[in-house]
Amino acid sequence: EVQLVESGGGLIQPGGSLRLSCEVSGFTFSKYAMNWVRQAPGKGLEWVSGISDSGGSTYSADSVKGRFTISRDNSKSILFLQMNSLRVDDTALYYCAKNQLSVVTAPIDIWGQGTMVTVSS
Amino acid sequence: IVLTQSPGTLSLSPGERATLSCRASQSVSSGYLAWYQQKPGQAPRLLIYGESTRATGIPDRFSGSGSGTDFTLTISRLEPEDFAVYHCHQYGSSLTFGGGTKVEIK
Repeated sequence: EVQLVESGGGLIQPGGSLRLSCEVSGFTFSKYAMNWVRQAPGKGLEWVSGISDSGGSTYSADSVKGRFTISRDNSKSILFLQMNSLRVDDTALYYCAKNQLSVVTAPIDIWGQGTMVTVSS
Repeated sequence: IVLTQSPGTLSLSPGERATLSCRASQSVSSGYLAWYQQKPGQAPRLLIYGESTRATGIPDRFSGSGSGTDFTLTISRLEPEDFAVYHCHQYGSSLTFGGGTKVEIK
């Protein structure tokens, strides 16, 4: 069974940092691109960052560029999102999401259940 | 690419046909357009990709069509479990999602 399990969310003050993790099982992690997608309470989906199968190519939305960094450890089947300089508008449920292919320009076919990040003083 | 979904809310009865629209601010590369269904408290589920290909296990009452900048998700006959929020997503150029359409029971 394919599973994506996010962790690392929580309550953090503006300007703080958090590192999200996504542990995957049930498929060959190193063969697929991965993404982080977020959803603010009561709002739509927003793509945050994507990474190719090898980790050699990474992409980020303009809203997080320079603050968030996506990375992966293929030996441990874990996806990461390092979030720095957090702002109140980064408050959202963060989903780990698997692509159908090895490149980021492919549909997302599997989603985790998400980890909540709340940025507030 | 900005995706605009309409209507924001669609009020229909079970058995009726639902037509959801997704309009892109510029042409979507190679038909790289997907649709997702999301129910309250759940993660999104892939329905359609490549404009019109149904994902594994998706019933044939769901169909996708369109090209370029205009795309449509059609649910031919609404079942009780189809009342949910639907998101369109383009993955051809710096991934983006639409704002969603809620299909609610009339």
